[in-house]
Amino acid sequence: QVTLKESGPVLVKPTETLTLTCTVSGFSLIDRMGVSWIRQPPGKALEWLAQVFSNRETSYSTSLQTRLNISKDTSKGQVVLTMSNVDPADTGTYFCARIFGGALFYGFDIWGQGTWVSVSS
Amino acid sequence: QSALTQPASVSGSPGQSVTISCTGLSSGVATYNRVSWYQQHPGKVPKLVIYEVTQRPSGVSSRFSGSTSGSTAFLTISALQADDEGTYFCCSFTGSWLFGGGTRLTVL
Repeated sequence: QVTLKESGPVLVKPTETLTLTCTVSGFSLIDRMGVSWIRQPPGKALEWLAQVFSNRETSYSTSLQTRLNISKDTSKGQVVLTMSNVDPADTGTYFCARIFGGALFYGFDIWGQGTWVSVSS
Repeated sequence: QSALTQPASVSGSPGQSVTISCTGLSSGVATYNRVSWYQQHPGKVPKLVIYEVTQRPSGVSSRFSGSTSGSTAFLTISALQADDEGTYFCCSFTGSWLFGGGTRLTVL
């Protein structure tokens, strides 16, 4: 069974760096697979943040790329996202999701349960 | 990419069909068909219901169908059921991913 599970702090202070971890099981991060991070502020739309592929190729949201870094640890089956200089506007649920079709970019077929992050002093 | 625009809400009665639009697709998307749709029930995880404009993942009801016309993608849900109620998001890929603002479907 393919699963993804997010973990990270529930509360982060403004200007701090947020680190989120996505632990995958049921597939390998070396199998031409990609994983993305997507967030959703309360009551709002989904917003794509970043992705990493098995060849370590990465890409980022244009509007957030200066604050984001995504990496993978294949041996641990983990994808890590860091977001620097967080702001209350970064509050929301953060999901990691598998990219369906790999480099064919069909969409996101398997999602983690999401992890809530609140940015507040 | 420019924004993907969806209607804020649509509604329909059980048994009817509804169509949700998603405007603002770039020409790259239209060429490569990288349009997907997601269903999200309140407080739940998004679920992929359509990919590559018209394809349904395994296990998704045939009542869900997708299409495009010009720079607009459409999701049609036929024979509406109570469980179809939720928010639907379109998504496109042209080097990066872009989600629409979401459409809340109410089954009357």
